[in-house]
Amino acid sequence: EAGVTQFPSHSVIEKGQTVTLRCDPISGHDNLYWYRRVMGKEIKFLLHFVKESKQDESGMPNNRFLAERTGGTYSTLKVQPAELEDSGVYFCASSQHRGEFNSPLHFGNGTRLTVT
Amino acid sequence: AQSVAQPEDQVNVAEGNPLTVKCTYSVSGNPYLFWYVQYPNRGLQFLLKYITGDNLVKGSYGFEAEFNKSQTSFHLKKPSALVSDSALYFCAVRGTSASKIIFGSGTRLSIRP
Repeated sequence: EAGVTQFPSHSVIEKGQTVTLRCDPISGHDNLYWYRRVMGKEIKFLLHFVKESKQDESGMPNNRFLAERTGGTYSTLKVQPAELEDSGVYFCASSQHRGEFNSPLHFGNGTRLTVT
Repeated sequence: AQSVAQPEDQVNVAEGNPLTVKCTYSVSGNPYLFWYVQYPNRGLQFLLKYITGDNLVKGSYGFEAEFNKSQTSFHLKKPSALVSDSALYFCAVRGTSASKIIFGSGTRLSIRP
């Protein structure tokens, strides 16, 4: 099966610009998670979709971040306007069963975002 | 609130020696615990998990982890390290009442020949 794919792999933007990250989970996976890792620190939870619904968005830092998962398939994470502290690696992960949160997460390779 | 601590930024071990990567956690209720490994420029890969049952859990690549409820720990172990085990290791936890999985800051494991 195809794994979780993320696009782009790298993005360099200037402060104030907009960036949209995309994640395609493994087909059939209901759970989709977004995480962010700032260099050397923990992988910080951002939010969790179950199909198209936001199950938990308690980790979203502020209203500059908008995540969507239309139709319960791929997801996008938009940062608008970007700030310097938004730099980091954004990971997407998916797992199979709705309501079953102990299935292993399958991670994409991440998008490295640099805001200058 | 859930939290995970990995007290060591880096662990250095000689090839063939046993290794331990430490993890402690804090959750409400019973914990569900995980270990993941990350190789350079790749996403995290699942190694093993503890949900219930035997405190010693075996996983991929010869790794195992021991759940210790009284010490709230879930240390990752391997009896004999390989150079190819060199990577970044993340411990993660989920509480029974939460859907999100919380990760630690990672421990870089370096195995010297």
